[in-house]
Amino acid sequence: KNEVEQSPQNLTAQEGEFITINCSYSVGISALHWLQQHPGGGIVSLFMLSSGKKKHGRLIATINIQEKHSSLHITASHPRDSAVYICAGPLNRDDKIIFGKGTRLHILP
Amino acid sequence: DVKVTQSSRYLVKRTGEKVFLECVQDMDHENMFWYRQDPGLGLRLIYFSYDVKMKEKGDIPEGYSVSREKKERFSLILESASTNQTSMYLCASSLCPGQGSMNTEAFFGQGTRLTVV
Repeated sequence: KNEVEQSPQNLTAQEGEFITINCSYSVGISALHWLQQHPGGGIVSLFMLSSGKKKHGRLIATINIQEKHSSLHITASHPRDSAVYICAGPLNRDDKIIFGKGTRLHILP
Repeated sequence: DVKVTQSSRYLVKRTGEKVFLECVQDMDHENMFWYRQDPGLGLRLIYFSYDVKMKEKGDIPEGYSVSREKKERFSLILESASTNQTSMYLCASSLCPGQGSMNTEAFFGQGTRLTVV
């Protein structure tokens, strides 16, 4: 079983829709990251969360430490949001960073 | 404002060549990591380093070696590149807990897409 599970694996939505991507983890993570990877392959760090909620533009990330669950929301989605979204976190036990397998998001115009 | 820099975004090498992938971070981080990303498999740890001259194998170290001569630089070496090493390679760095950080924030390079022909 993967230590970090993301859902859904693939998501296609219409422009303007509210998007939610989920990340659940079964191990102790000191902080959770949301990353965005565009079709060209470059990876950008969107958020780092250790508690609560963060907002950046149309992106909102939340984390529930007790439930070991985080969500990434995109409001008023746009085709340029099409990318792979990956959650990741450094393990408490040894600092290694573990990654979810990613959610491929495709926003249709 | 770039914090983790990978030397190349795209690289094409021939089978059998020795390949160096370089990663530099400017945050004085102790921890540095190399991952590769493949379709369906996600990101897998190749090697990591907790300090200068220290290295440990990750989940898939075969065919790779690393070098950490200076704190800011972590190099991934393909001694004799093979086509099955065609992949996206990602470098990351983070502070050790106890270096003044309660929460270990990681920083990520942009990735290097290596094609071995």
